[in-house]
Amino acid sequence: AQSVTQPDIHITVSEGASLELRCNYSYGATPYLFWYVQSPGQGLQLLLKYFSGDTLVQGIKGFEAEFKRSQSSFNLRKPSVHWSDAAEYFCAGLGAAGNKLTFGGGTRVLVKP
Amino acid sequence: GAGVSQTPSNKVTEKGKYVELRCDPISGHTALYWYRQSLGQGPEFLIYFQGTGAADDSGLPNDRFFAVRPEGSVSTLKIQRTERGDSAVYLCASSLRGYNEQFFGPGTRLTVL
Repeated sequence: AQSVTQPDIHITVSEGASLELRCNYSYGATPYLFWYVQSPGQGLQLLLKYFSGDTLVQGIKGFEAEFKRSQSSFNLRKPSVHWSDAAEYFCAGLGAAGNKLTFGGGTRVLVKP
Repeated sequence: GAGVSQTPSNKVTEKGKYVELRCDPISGHTALYWYRQSLGQGPEFLIYFQGTGAADDSGLPNDRFFAVRPEGSVSTLKIQRTERGDSAVYLCASSLRGYNEQFFGPGTRLTVL
């Protein structure tokens, strides 16, 4: 069965520090992969996506993610976190059928001043 | 251009009542998806439309849930005999076609008392 796992439920990081959020996937073939961010009371906003090609993907708001086939991972990173980055982050995969996203459980990021 | 819109933003109903949730996708997007997000969890797939037809309704939890998209644009998710366990945020997304990035609406928060 297709699945996406985010091992960390909560992460607390100081403003200005670096951030890395983990995501692992389990699919029969390499899926399309996405990171979304959800701020309180807001909808899901797409940060970045991986379809194929270059394994280091740049997104909006200074985020990037690296696809590693050998580790079945697609971790999200940001070099320097801003207070406005406090939100919930979801990793998601789109399988070969292309008809539905499978989401991880989310990682809530808290930013300390 | 306009994004995905959903109405109402909040809906409070009593157990056993019937509710309808509306989704207006991005103009020109042929694919439309419904997801359900329970508190503290990632969104879960409900149903996918390609054009007017439900191409995959495997995520609908039971026959109390039904969705339509009669003209290939606006979609309505219908829930009969609501139960307290139906309380969640119902998210709609659209994409240009299947197997493409999905753009999400702000969601409808349904509370069943």
